[in-house]
Amino acid sequence: SQELEQSPQSLIVQEGKNLTINCTSSKTLYGLYWYKQKYGEGLIFLMMLQKGGEEKSHEKITAKLDEKKQQSSLHITASQPSHAGIYLCGADGTSYGKLTFGQGTILTVHP
Amino acid sequence: EAGVTQFPSHSVIEKGQTVTLRCDPISGHDNLYWYRRVMGKEIKFLLHFVKESKQDESGMPNNRFLAERTGGTYSTLKVQPAELEDSGVYFCASSYRTQGGEQYFGPGTRLTVT
Repeated sequence: SQELEQSPQSLIVQEGKNLTINCTSSKTLYGLYWYKQKYGEGLIFLMMLQKGGEEKSHEKITAKLDEKKQQSSLHITASQPSHAGIYLCGADGTSYGKLTFGQGTILTVHP
Repeated sequence: EAGVTQFPSHSVIEKGQTVTLRCDPISGHDNLYWYRRVMGKEIKFLLHFVKESKQDESGMPNNRFLAERTGGTYSTLKVQPAELEDSGVYFCASSYRTQGGEQYFGPGTRLTVT
């Protein structure tokens, strides 16, 4: 079965700092999803990557998928307290939407 | 446009009782997924509907779990009888496309079995 490893497990940064979260798969991915979750709430869709080498940005968040489609990174520029939460990567290895999730990265941003 | 909604938001039941969770997907989304997160573990896939048909139910833990999607609109997930290990957060997601479709998640139902 496919496994996803996220790193780091938790991250504490000062407001304004840049940060990167990584997601590594044991198998080639059909698609890679990034979500954000705030405590007690559902998962908020951030971005989906499908092509090797693909990069997408939304506001201050950039996600990349490597050429081999086994590793993705999520980069936040000039972090803000509103970025705090749990970031989850989800992988689709079958193309039919059955997502496997990493354990999540807890991000804390101090003002 | 309304997002994915789930009901109830919380449910506390005793072992052996029955609970039914409901999910209303985004209008027009044929694909509906159920996932759950038990304490300390990753979010795990349970099953996938395309309209009213079960496309993949490989993640359903056992026959105490029954999912339905009559009419291809909302879905229910029944747990009968509930066991302690069924406690966790049950998420529903929906997408427009089956292949490569963006999945939008609901807020989840927190189930506690005592």
